[in-house]
Amino acid sequence: EVQLLESGGGLVQPGGSLRLSCAASGFTFSSYAMSWVRQAPGKGLEWVSAISGSGGSTYYADSVKGRFTISRDNSKNTLYLQMNSLRAEDTAVYYCAKYRGYYRAGSSQYAEYFQHWGQGTLVTVSS
Amino acid sequence: QSVLTQPPSVSAAPGQKVTISCSGSSSNIGNNYVSWYQQLPGTAPKLLIYDNNKRPSGIPDRFSGSKSGTSATLGITGLQTGDEADYYCGTWDSSLSAGGVFGGGTKLTVL
Repeated sequence: EVQLLESGGGLVQPGGSLRLSCAASGFTFSSYAMSWVRQAPGKGLEWVSAISGSGGSTYYADSVKGRFTISRDNSKNTLYLQMNSLRAEDTAVYYCAKYRGYYRAGSSQYAEYFQHWGQGTLVTVSS
Repeated sequence: QSVLTQPPSVSAAPGQKVTISCSGSSSNIGNNYVSWYQQLPGTAPKLLIYDNNKRPSGIPDRFSGSKSGTSATLGITGLQTGDEADYYCGTWDSSLSAGGVFGGGTKLTVL
């Protein structure tokens, strides 16, 4: 059974930093891309970042580019999100998700989906 | 303002059918595959549909997905009270700011 357990959330002041972790189990972690998706209180889902299985390729939403860094340690089956220069608008529940993204054979269309989700960790940016 | 447009709410009686629309553009839905997620109150989202119309194992065939042009639709038949949830569509956006995008979500009420 796939399990994803986020940790590291909490209260931080504007301009501060926080590192989120996501411990994965139940699948071959290094074989799968992973991602972070966030949800502000009472709002919808927002794609934040994704990383390939090897960690060699990373992708970011414009809203976090240059401030957040996604990484992974395949020896520890753990995904990370380093968040710097935090703003009030970064307040949200942050979910890690097992991510599938690929071009279908013979197609230029990209297929992306979040196959399994963790329970989320709340990040509150406030003074 | 979400990149993909969904109705804020839909409702139907138990046993009935409901559809939820998701509208986008050529840079997202029009040229990429769509997925759908169910978020029950107080829980994490759950994958319902991927690759426009495929169901993961364990998802009942009461849930279906389709895509036409720059729009996608989630259908739910035989509505149950346990289907009350928020539903989100998602896809890849291939514009200059390439990345994943979601709809704003639709609250389903089973009357």
